[in-house]
Amino acid sequence: SQQGEEDPQALSIQEGENATMNCSYKTSINNLQWYRQNSGRGLVHLILIRSNEREKHSGRLRVTLDTSKKSSSLLITASRAADTASYFCATPGGNNRLAFGKGNQVVVIP
Amino acid sequence: DGGITQSPKYLFRKEGQNVTLSCEQNLNHDAMYWYRQDPGQGLRLIYYSQIVNDFQKGDIAEGYSVSREKKESFPLTVTSAQKNPTAFYLCASSIEWRNSPLHFGNGTRLTVT
Repeated sequence: SQQGEEDPQALSIQEGENATMNCSYKTSINNLQWYRQNSGRGLVHLILIRSNEREKHSGRLRVTLDTSKKSSSLLITASRAADTASYFCATPGGNNRLAFGKGNQVVVIP
Repeated sequence: DGGITQSPKYLFRKEGQNVTLSCEQNLNHDAMYWYRQDPGQGLRLIYYSQIVNDFQKGDIAEGYSVSREKKESFPLTVTSAQKNPTAFYLCASSIEWRNSPLHFGNGTRLTVT
């Protein structure tokens, strides 16, 4: 199955700073999703961006998609301690099965 | 409140025993999924079901079995044939099979010794 690959793998920032993480994928997709996972919990869906969209916002989250470079970025603005989590991108793979990257661990220091 | 319930949160078993993980949803979703997560790893798909009474193998189905007799329920059995069953298991559902966000339960951490 196709997988997204997040970069950087781990990020540590001060509260109030912005956090940016990237995801690359290998084949053509019709959408890309971002999820958040707090430690020991299930994943929570953040944003779905379709292949015909270049940018999407949700609160303090901004997602971009560049299909020519097969990459997406997730920006968290004005980070808070509660944003400390792992962030995953996911893309439809073979048979439309959703494939997840390994995740990007973000630590926001109060 | 609608959601997905996984139980139990922690499960301990001896090697050689089969164990069944429960997953129930009241979201009226057609599709359900089981993923396995190992430390520092992404999610790997074990089994999925697009609709009641139907299910397909995912990428790592060996040593696992499922059933989907009711729309709300998608239990996962970890059999003794699974070589390395200790992991965090996540159940998810979505409104439909294609291009829909997944809703996850809070997982079951299985430890086999």
